[in-house]
Amino acid sequence: EPEVTQTPSHQVTQMGQEVILRCVPISNHLYFYWYRQILGQKVEFLVSFYNNEISEKSEIFDDQFSVERPDGSNFTLKIRSTKLEDSAMYFCASTTTGSEQFFGPGTRLTVL
Amino acid sequence: KNEVEQSPQNLTAQEGEFITINCSYSVGISALHWLQQHPGGGIVSLFMLSSGKKKHGRLIATINIQEKHSSLHITASHPRDSAVYICAAQKTSYDKVIFGPGTSLSVIP
Repeated sequence: EPEVTQTPSHQVTQMGQEVILRCVPISNHLYFYWYRQILGQKVEFLVSFYNNEISEKSEIFDDQFSVERPDGSNFTLKIRSTKLEDSAMYFCASTTTGSEQFFGPGTRLTVL
Repeated sequence: KNEVEQSPQNLTAQEGEFITINCSYSVGISALHWLQQHPGGGIVSLFMLSSGKKKHGRLIATINIQEKHSSLHITASHPRDSAVYICAAQKTSYDKVIFGPGTSLSVIP
């Protein structure tokens, strides 16, 4: 069964460093999403992406964040200068026409 | 006001019990999702509903569009069902999913 994959499963970084979280959506999917979940809180929407551009972003998704689909298979989330409060679980999701959103297993980001 | 609410927040059940988790939402939706999150943190999609009822094994999900309410039922609960169950609403196709706060279920042997 096709699945969304994410790497790494756990990323530890120092405050102020750049991180790139990687996702490989399901191959025929066209719509891509990033969500995050701070420990103990509910999952929050960050950004959606379609046709090589952002279709919607939340207030959380400020200038420190960017997304890219660099090679037609990967979908990346970059945080330019990490803060302590960026520590969270980051989930990627993808979907296509009439389908549910399929979620990846998540990347746990720890900022020290 | 949260757009997606769940009850109860926490639930402890004895193995074998019938479990119901409720979800209410305040927005118009094209789909309602039920997801499961285990302690490791990964999310698994259980159901996507736009009307009626769906069943998968011991899990049953129902939705009442007029009342903006959905329920997830687990029959013959088992300790391996222990997880956080999350209800999430999707306003339109391809739209972001709006997550509820989750219900933490613990099934005791």
